[in-house]
Amino acid sequence: LAKTTQPISMDSYEGQEVNITCSHNNIATNDYITWYQQFPSQGPRFIIQGYKTKVTNEVASLFIPADRKSSTLSLPRVSLSDTAVYYCLVVISGGYQKVTFGTGTKLQVIP
Amino acid sequence: NAGVTQTPKFRVLKTGQSMTLLCAQDMNHEYMYWYRQDPGMGLRLIHYSVGEGTTAKGEVPDGYNVSRLKKQNFLLGLESAAPSQTSVYFCASSSVGTGRRDTQYFGPGTRLTVL
Repeated sequence: LAKTTQPISMDSYEGQEVNITCSHNNIATNDYITWYQQFPSQGPRFIIQGYKTKVTNEVASLFIPADRKSSTLSLPRVSLSDTAVYYCLVVISGGYQKVTFGTGTKLQVIP
Repeated sequence: NAGVTQTPKFRVLKTGQSMTLLCAQDMNHEYMYWYRQDPGMGLRLIHYSVGEGTTAKGEVPDGYNVSRLKKQNFLLGLESAAPSQTSVYFCASSSVGTGRRDTQYFGPGTRLTVL
């Protein structure tokens, strides 16, 4: 099973923009890319979802290139409360059972 | 509206014991999922269900069984627990299905330790 990979960790100062990239070479053709945020001892929480190009909501932006083999979550002006683990979620070609979370990126926001 | 709830929150088992984890959702969702989360491994799909009375295998189904007798409940069973099943288990539900334009809602998790 092809892995969906992300950087293990990132550090950022408060107020900066943070970009986290997920590589998913074998993403299924018709499926969306979804990003989740997880705090310690909690379940993941939905952040943003997209299929192609760019999507923006009140908390983040998602950039997806034309080949859809990667996606980048952008968090504008992070605060201490954004310290969490961020996961991408895709469906890998090969069947529905190939629901695949990325390896996760631990973001530490520094005062 | 409680969303997705999981019972129990914590459990310690001895090798060979059995137990059932219960997941309940009150959002009338068709799809339900069971994941396990291990350090450094992210979340991996164990089993899922696309509707009442249906179940299917995910990425890591061995050693687990599931049942979806009622639309709002999804049970995960361990018939003979092994130390390798020590993990945090998350249940999730969605209205359409992962990958489509939809969102999975997660429960708070069950921390299971097998000695």
